[in-house]
Amino acid sequence: QKEVEQDPGPLSVPEGAIVSLNCTYSNSAFQYFMWYRQYSRKGPELLMYTYSSGNKEDGRFTAQVDKSSKYISLFIRDSQPSDSATYLCAMASNTGNQFYFGTGTSLTVIP
Amino acid sequence: NAGVTQTPKFQVLKTGQSMTLQCAQDMNHNSMYWYRQDPGMGLRLIYYSASEGTTDKGEVPNGYNVSRLNKREFSLRLESAAPSQTSVYFCASSQGDYQPQHFGDGTRLSIL
Repeated sequence: QKEVEQDPGPLSVPEGAIVSLNCTYSNSAFQYFMWYRQYSRKGPELLMYTYSSGNKEDGRFTAQVDKSSKYISLFIRDSQPSDSATYLCAMASNTGNQFYFGTGTSLTVIP
Repeated sequence: NAGVTQTPKFQVLKTGQSMTLQCAQDMNHNSMYWYRQDPGMGLRLIYYSASEGTTDKGEVPNGYNVSRLNKREFSLRLESAAPSQTSVYFCASSQGDYQPQHFGDGTRLSIL
């Protein structure tokens, strides 16, 4: 079983839609959670970083962590064509030095 | 503001050849990482260096060696390249354990 599961998509939405991206995980010790955006032929770019449970908002992006369900989400409001990319989740516990990454969800926002 | 710089951007090798991938960061970060990214597999950690002078194996270290040359530079070496090592390689750095990692734009490596 993979440490982190992420639906690869692809996901296609119209401009202005609310997008929900999700990851599930198996290790209840995970405490640190990140979301990255990766454009084609580029490196991952950090979007959100959260510790433990709860919500974090940054502009059009909101990250949620539900540790009881081992489930994290990234919401994108008022989606734009420039949001078209692959979104990666990553997480780590405080007993190791390694972040575990999901395989990524491909998102296309149609003008 | 360069961040994390990787060289080369592309490389084609023949089976059995060796090469070194270079990575440098200008953010004064303590920790540096090497990942490979394959379709359907996500990013997998090859080696990391928590601080200058230390290196540790990650999830997929076989066939690779690393050198933390100084605080800025962390290189990845393939001694005898194999087709299974065809991948996109990313270097990343962070201030420390569990801190956000910042990535370079990758080296696309094909081994024939």
